[in-house]
Amino acid sequence: QVQLVQSGAEVKKPGASVKVSCKASGYSFTTYYLHWVRQAPGQGLEWMGKINPSGTRTTYAQRLEGRLTMTTDMSTSTFYMELSSLRSEDTAVYYCARGHGLAGDCPEYWGQGAPVTVSS
Amino acid sequence: DIQLTQSPSFLSASVGDRVTITCRASQGISSFLAWYQQKPGKAPKLLIYAASTLQTGVPSRFSGSGSGAEFTLTINSLQPEDFATYYCQQVNSYPITFGQGTRLEIK
Repeated sequence: QVQLVQSGAEVKKPGASVKVSCKASGYSFTTYYLHWVRQAPGQGLEWMGKINPSGTRTTYAQRLEGRLTMTTDMSTSTFYMELSSLRSEDTAVYYCARGHGLAGDCPEYWGQGAPVTVSS
Repeated sequence: DIQLTQSPSFLSASVGDRVTITCRASQGISSFLAWYQQKPGKAPKLLIYAASTLQTGVPSRFSGSGSGAEFTLTINSLQPEDFATYYCQQVNSYPITFGQGTRLEIK
């Protein structure tokens, strides 16, 4: 079965960077884009961007460009999301999600979420 | 960016009721709309994509309709497990955006 297993909770200081991993299994890794979506405490969903499995194509939300980097490691079927210059507003649960087979930009399978807290 | 506005933001209903949630887009998005259900502490679950196509495994009491700029999610005969927050999502253009959510609670 499709599984996306994310790294654990992180606590970071303002100005630092965080890197969250998402290990995929149970499907053909090279076929589907991977999306990152975050959710601040008590708030709605915010799409951050997507990346193809080889890591050669990314689309980022413009408001995060310059601070956001998505990468992949095909040898381990793992995706990474790194966010730099962290601020308190970046405190959120970060989800990775695989695109749908027919509607690729609709995330179909989701990771369990990785809580990131930004606090001094 | 395309803004999605859901109404209502909060909905109270009883088991067995039929409920409808509306999602309005700030510009036309054809049928590039999806609906998700999220329960507390859990990842969202895809219910409907392409405005009206039911995701595999989702009960048939869920249905979606609409095109252009106005869409609806209807849940027939509410079940206890349906009480959750629902989000619409547009995938017509980047950045992909979500509605603010509709919280469905038991009356």
